[in-house]
Amino acid sequence: AQKVTQAQTEISVVEKEDVTLDCVYETRDTTYYLFWYKQPPSGELVFLIRRNSFDEQNEISGRYSWNFQKSTSSFNFTITASQVVDSAVYFCALSENNYGQNFVFGPGTRLSVLP
Amino acid sequence: GAGVSQSPSNKVTEKGKDVELRCDPISGHTALYWYRQSLGQGLEFLIYFQGNSAPDKSGLPSDRFSAERTGGSVSTLTIQRTQQEDSAVYLCASSLALRGQPQHFGDGTRLSIL
Repeated sequence: AQKVTQAQTEISVVEKEDVTLDCVYETRDTTYYLFWYKQPPSGELVFLIRRNSFDEQNEISGRYSWNFQKSTSSFNFTITASQVVDSAVYFCALSENNYGQNFVFGPGTRLSVLP
Repeated sequence: GAGVSQSPSNKVTEKGKDVELRCDPISGHTALYWYRQSLGQGLEFLIYFQGNSAPDKSGLPSDRFSAERTGGSVSTLTIQRTQQEDSAVYLCASSLALRGQPQHFGDGTRLSIL
């Protein structure tokens, strides 16, 4: 069965620090998709990124970067030079090779960026 | 608007009453999901609709919960004889029915049972 683990329940950093949010997943499929979502205090879940299992190339988008390593079943998310607006709960999710079912979310990591 | 629309935004009701929560997905999205999120917690899957297929109801916590999707678009989640433990934010998401498509979420309905 598929599973997503986010071992860090809460993280606090001071503004401008770099921070990495960990995500470890389990799946028996060889084709699967990984996602990160952000849920700010206002409550809406915002889609950030999707990776498929065949593309291990790391991705950078501004201050955000993602490190996908199949060898360790991890899909970690790094925020560089964190800002107060980055304070949110971040969810990692896994979707296996089907048409939408079996979409599993991790428990989330609450990030607090202090001024 | 172009996003997932949920109504009402907030609902306060007395224990024992029935409630209906509505979700209007993004146009063209045939996959629709309902989740429940209790305060400070993660997402609890409730039900999944895909086109005309039978819905996946495996996440519904009890027979007091039901959902339908009319015409492959708007969905209604109904909770009968509400209990205080039903208090939570109910989130709806939709996606294209293609492999690996991300879900797009509405703002949720905050349900409070007195």
